[in-house]
Amino acid sequence: GENVEQHPSTLSVQEGDSAVIKCTYSDSASNYFPWYKQELGKGPQLIIDIRSNVGEKKDQRIAVTLNKTAKHFSLHITETQPEDSAVYFCAASWGNTGNQFYFGTGTSLTVIP
Amino acid sequence: GAVVSQHPSRVICKSGTSVKIECRSLDFQATTMFWYRQFPKQSLMLMATSNEGSKATYEQGVEKDKFLINHASLTLSTLTVTSAHPEDSSFYICSAQRTGSEKLFFGSGTQLSVL
Repeated sequence: GENVEQHPSTLSVQEGDSAVIKCTYSDSASNYFPWYKQELGKGPQLIIDIRSNVGEKKDQRIAVTLNKTAKHFSLHITETQPEDSAVYFCAASWGNTGNQFYFGTGTSLTVIP
Repeated sequence: GAVVSQHPSRVICKSGTSVKIECRSLDFQATTMFWYRQFPKQSLMLMATSNEGSKATYEQGVEKDKFLINHASLTLSTLTVTSAHPEDSSFYICSAQRTGSEKLFFGSGTQLSVL
């Protein structure tokens, strides 16, 4: 089955700096890679996703890059703000309805004002 | 955006009682819903996959007779924790996958505390 590894487990950055979280996956059949933000006591929120036919996707301060050959993808947050502080999870899936999602172990991001 | 409503958000019950958690997709149809359990500072642990109109598929180690899942419509799935015990105390989260799409949206979670 698929194995998704995520690093780092914790990350602290100064407000305004960039944050990068990296994930690797093992199954080359995975073709859909979402990122989720989870605040304390809440469910994960989809913040950005990418399909395997795309190398990069941006949405304002958030971007995701994918390297299919190396089987890794990364989340980039620029100009971080205190409200970006949360736990971030990456995931990999075969991308069709009903297929299981495999989640990374999470990264606790703290943005220091 | 896609909204998944999960209720209750918090429940405290006595040992031996049953608790039902509801998960509704409010503005889309979801053929598939997933139920997860999450321990503090840990990732999401898949409990079962629920397909509308079919029996749920449980992950290894998850007791199907203890965690009853019903997915009777394209917008509603329920998880019933039967004869709850303190070790069942956890954060339970549902997710719904929009029919025909790969996108997965989560409910807000239910914190279950069994006394």
